[in-house]
Formats: sequence, structure tokens, C-alpha cells
Amino acid sequence: SAVISQKPSRDICQRGTSLTIQCQVDSQVTMMFWYRQQPGQSLTLIATANQGSEATYESGFVIDKFPISRPNLTFSTLTVSNMSPEDSSIYLCSGETGAGYGYTFGSGTRLTVV
Amino acid sequence: AQSVAQPEDQVNVAEGNPLTVKCTYSVSGNPYLFWYVQYPNRGLQFLLKYITGDNLVKGSYGFEAEFNKSQTSFHLKKPSALVSDSALYFCAVRDMGAGGTSYGKLTFGQGTILTVHP
Repeated sequence: SAVISQKPSRDICQRGTSLTIQCQVDSQVTMMFWYRQQPGQSLTLIATANQGSEATYESGFVIDKFPISRPNLTFSTLTVSNMSPEDSSIYLCSGETGAGYGYTFGSGTRLTVV
Repeated sequence: AQSVAQPEDQVNVAEGNPLTVKCTYSVSGNPYLFWYVQYPNRGLQFLLKYITGDNLVKGSYGFEAEFNKSQTSFHLKKPSALVSDSALYFCAVRDMGAGGTSYGKLTFGQGTILTVHP
């Protein structure tokens, strides 16, 4: 199955700044997704990253706050913009391999905004 | 809309005893069902999935799950629990009848913390 390398694994950022999280997949995936997770809680889908076009955002998430890029079938980035302490969370990316409908996850980015 | 419920926030079992982590789902089309495990400070690890075929699915680390269409359930089971099984478990569903902007999305349950006592 596909393996996703996600970085950074953690970061502490000042409020008002931005952080870009990267996910690199070792093989092509048909779909990529970005999630947010509070520690010990469920995953909330932020958006579907579409190759070569604008991401599709879930209710409550907007492009200005969470711009996403997906230039090809193996790479995507999520930027958390103009951060506030409320953005402190774990961010995970996921890829859907298509064959057998498997979903692989990155190891997550633990973000703390101070 | 698709949804998943894990009715137990926590499950506690003694090592060597069987364990069950419950999951029920709701979809409009046929469900694809998944179980994932998350250890502290780690990403999600795939355990098993149901797509079609045999209702009893065997997965990693000795886990299995039974798909029950009439009860819309997909409970995770293991005959003999290990202390190392202690983790956060998520059930997830993909609605194969979903199209448009809902296509391909996984919906997760709220998670169940499994604690296996020595």
C-alpha cells in the first residue's frame, strides 16, 4: 500500500504567522484529503485536494484560511494561514489508492500556536 | 448523508479476554467500512476493511470484524486482547452511493479508547 511522508511532524508557531504542511506519497493516489484532529478526538475533514484545480472545502473551512495545493498525483500541501491559538491541532493528510479503496494516512503534524 | 457511531467512548478489558469495539453506520448506498487504530502521537494505521463478500473480515494483529447489514453494524473483535492493543480505535465508512462533492469521502466515528489491563 502507499506510504505518505508528512512534514513537519510538529511545530510551535506565533499567532498571525502561517505554516505549510507537506505530504509526499510514494505512489500515485487518486484522491487526497486533509483532516484536522484534536488530540483523542475524531477526524474532521477540511477539504479534498484536487489535482490541478481548487480544493473542495467542507462547511466551516475556507480557502483563505486553509489554502491547499496539489500539483500532481503524489504531492499536496496545506497552509494554515494567519494562525490563532484555536488552530492548535493535529493535521493529517490521507490518500485514496483507488485499488481496493484503501486509504493511507500521514503521521500527522502537531501544531501549537502561541 | 453518511454517518458512523461508536457508542462507547472507552472499552476496558483484561489481557487474554476477548474484546469488542462497537460501530454502527448509516449510508444511502452500499457501505465500504474500515477500522483504523491510532497510537499516541502517531497517524492512523489501517486494520481492516469490508467492501464485499464474506461478512467476517480478518485484518492485522489478529483483529477481525463482522459486517451485519440488517443491524448496520461493523463491530471490531479480537479473541484474546493484549496490553499492546491499548489505543484509540476509529470506525469509518465510505458511501459508495455518494456522488458529486461527497464522492470518495470517509466519515469517521468519534473513536473508542481501548484499554487492556495486565
